[in-house]
Amino acid sequence: EPEVTQTPSHQVTQMGQEVILRCVPISNHLYFYWYRQILGQKVEFLVSFYNNEISEKSEIFDDQFSVERPDGSNFTLKIRSTKLEDSAMYFCASSDGLGRAEKLFFGSGTQLSVL
Amino acid sequence: DQQVKQNSPSLSVQEGRISILNCDYTNSMFDYFLWYKKYPAEGPTFLISISSIKDKNEDGRFTVFLNKSAKHLSLHIVPSQPGDSAVYFCAASNYNQGGKLIFGQGTELSVKP
Repeated sequence: EPEVTQTPSHQVTQMGQEVILRCVPISNHLYFYWYRQILGQKVEFLVSFYNNEISEKSEIFDDQFSVERPDGSNFTLKIRSTKLEDSAMYFCASSDGLGRAEKLFFGSGTQLSVL
Repeated sequence: DQQVKQNSPSLSVQEGRISILNCDYTNSMFDYFLWYKKYPAEGPTFLISISSIKDKNEDGRFTVFLNKSAKHLSLHIVPSQPGDSAVYFCAASNYNQGGKLIFGQGTELSVKP
């Protein structure tokens, strides 16, 4: 069964450093998302991406965050200058459901620890 | 942001019995609801969904009920199996906002043999 893959599974970084989280969505999917879950809290929407541009973003997704689809297979989330509060599990997701609230396929996540 | 609430952080059920997980929402603009299951060290996995035009959707052992007037939905698992032990997330969306899901806090289900 096709799946969303995320690398790395764990990322440790120093506060103020840039990090790039990588995702390979399911190949025929057109809609891509990033969510995150801070320990003990809800899974939160960050951003949706379609046709090479951001469709929607949450208040969390400020100027420190950016997304990119650099080629036909990868989808990345960059945090320019990490803060302690960016520590969380980051989930990439993709869907083929015309961007509607159809079932999203999530990756296993990247655990980001900012020290 | 308390638009979607799962008030029970955990639930323990005996194998073979029914598991009922509950979810409440406050935003009347939500028109699509989903349940996701999550195992440790994995991402959420889609389980079942329901559109606001329906009040019930069934898929094998899983049934989701929607009560729009009460802004309440529930997931029934019958019969429960030990492999169902996981964290279950309720999520809601608005048709115009695509894959932007608003999640509840999750309920950890433990099915004991």
